[in-house]
Amino acid sequence: DQQVKQNSPSLSVQEGRISILNCDYTNSMFDYFLWYKKYPAEGPTFLISISSIKDKNEDGRFTVFLNKSAKHLSLHIVPSQPGDSAVYFCAASAEWAGGTSYGKLTFGQGTILTVHP
Amino acid sequence: DTEVTQTPKHLVMGMTNKKSLKCEQHMGHRAMYWYKQKAKKPPELMFVYSYEKLSINESVPSRFSPECPNSSLLNLHLHALQPEDSALYLCATGGGGAGYTFGSGTRLTVV
Repeated sequence: DQQVKQNSPSLSVQEGRISILNCDYTNSMFDYFLWYKKYPAEGPTFLISISSIKDKNEDGRFTVFLNKSAKHLSLHIVPSQPGDSAVYFCAASAEWAGGTSYGKLTFGQGTILTVHP
Repeated sequence: DTEVTQTPKHLVMGMTNKKSLKCEQHMGHRAMYWYKQKAKKPPELMFVYSYEKLSINESVPSRFSPECPNSSLLNLHLHALQPEDSALYLCATGGGGAGYTFGSGTRLTVV
């Protein structure tokens, strides 16, 4: 049972335009969501996070939106740059709702973002 | 400075070998994690240590043996691995709303 889903395996965007990456989840216990960027053979690099008490969090070119009723979150990158090309993982955890789940990040399958110059 | 350091970066081992992966963090977090990532798959949690005690073992085979000597160090001892255990092994620290920081990983190949 895949609790975190990224339904788009890949996304191609022109430099300067907006990239929108989507993520859906099924576990209502999840209360903390993160986006990571990953290059091959490297560890995931943290981008931005959001807790379930918020519906939006911004950090520079990155904005994450959370729609709890739809169990959906999205990552917006504006403007997109060629250096943003990587695999993007959505991850979720039950930081506060489930004590035994502390630290258990559940990842989506990832979306390969390609930003063309 | 790299906040979570993993060594070695690459490791090739035979199925009868014993080896260890090491992870070090100086971020002050009291929780550390081992994840395993196969090619084209997301990372999957293996173990969680909280305050140097094992708190989660995701039904990992006993040929993987974690150890947390202190709050800054995390080891993963490997013995009698199989070729299908070849993967990128990631260490992480953090949690509790502080985010999670991953190391660069150890690329393990079992021959």
